[in-house]
Formats: sequence, C-alpha cells, structure tokens
Amino acid sequence: DAGVTQSPTHLIKTRGQQVTLRCSPKSGHDTVSWYQQALGQGPQFIFQYYEEEERQRGNFPDRFSGHQFPNYSSELNVNALWLGDSALYLCASSLDRYEQYFGPGTRLTVT
Amino acid sequence: GNSVTQMEGPVTLSEEAFLTINCTYTATGYPSLFWYVQYPGEGLQLLLKATKADDKGSNKGFEATYRKETTSFHLEKGSVQVSDSAVYFCALRDAGGTSYGKLTFGQGTILTVHP
Repeated sequence: DAGVTQSPTHLIKTRGQQVTLRCSPKSGHDTVSWYQQALGQGPQFIFQYYEEEERQRGNFPDRFSGHQFPNYSSELNVNALWLGDSALYLCASSLDRYEQYFGPGTRLTVT
Repeated sequence: GNSVTQMEGPVTLSEEAFLTINCTYTATGYPSLFWYVQYPGEGLQLLLKATKADDKGSNKGFEATYRKETTSFHLEKGSVQVSDSAVYFCALRDAGGTSYGKLTFGQGTILTVHP
C-alpha cells in the first residue's frame, strides 16, 4: 500500500515566478491538507481540500491556492513567489477529519 | 487561537540517558495531542497520540501522558539510542466541529544522541 507521495522532491524558482506542487494521498483517503515548514520551524497549516473544495484555510495570502481532483490527488499553487516562500511543503492525507499521514515533502528554494 | 509551546532546544544526550521534552498547549475544549518525529531530509512520522485526558500514548519506548490540569503532553523515553536523533514536534488537533482535523504544531525540538 503506497503512502502519501509528493512531487517534485526539490525545486528552485526565481522571485516572481509561479510554482505547482503535487500530492497523491494514501489509498482510501479522501482529504488532503497542506502545510508549510520554514527552516527551523514547525509546520504551519495552509489549507485543506475535501470533496474537491477548500474546506478550511490557514493564515496564508491568496497567492497560495490549490485544487483537488476527483481521484483525491491535490495541487498547491503559489503565485508571485517571494524569498520568504522558501520552505518544505508537506502534504498530509486523511479520511475526512481523522488521523493525518504525511508525505516526504517538497523542498522549494526561491532565489 | 490554539497554540503549542515546546521546550527550547537543542537537546544533546549520551546513549542510554533519560529523555524529557516538555510540551504545553493552549486550546478550547478537548483537543487530541500528538508527537511527531522528523528524521533528516524526511517528512513527519506519527510517534504517538492521546485523545482524552489522562490517556497515555506510547510507541518504540516513548511515552506521553495527556494532562489536562497542567495542559501538558511531555515526551519521555527511559533510554535513548543514537537512532533517536531527530526533530520532535508536539501538535494538537481541535476537537471542534469546524476544525476538520487541522493540526497546530510546536516549533520542534532537535535531539542529538551521542554514542
């Protein structure tokens, strides 16, 4: 049984560019949550997708957007990248609001 | 809003030493509490959890007890190994109907164990 997978593993972008990160949930899970983990910090909740809709959102600007597909996979999009967006982006899947399982993350570097 | 506070790190121990990492929280209602571990270059792995007051979570020799009276969930291990070196995160999950399972994390504690 495959766990949560994320792609790409690493990514380097330039300020002002746009980026898309992808997540495939654990088999049987229908909910995807995204977190941002800055260096030396704990993960911060960005938003959660359930039934292809954004169900809850953390304190992140509108530059951060997402999508969930009918197969429950999800994308995180960040527009107009800032240097401060450099972080590890973690995807977690769950069955509705229950226990979350994390993927390995995508390391985004903005130069 | 909810918050989680962990003890300042990093923590450096010798193998077989006793480990305590303190965690306190602020939340309304009765949240569930978790400890996650992150090894270098990897994502988060659930280490243990407790869903109600006085519950004790345990896994791989680690233990933590949900203390509502002190709003704490301290992580302990009687004898650490070099392989326990990692970053440890305390987290809570709202119990409220509109929380949808969102996790709130502490800032993390780096543990280094020397042979």
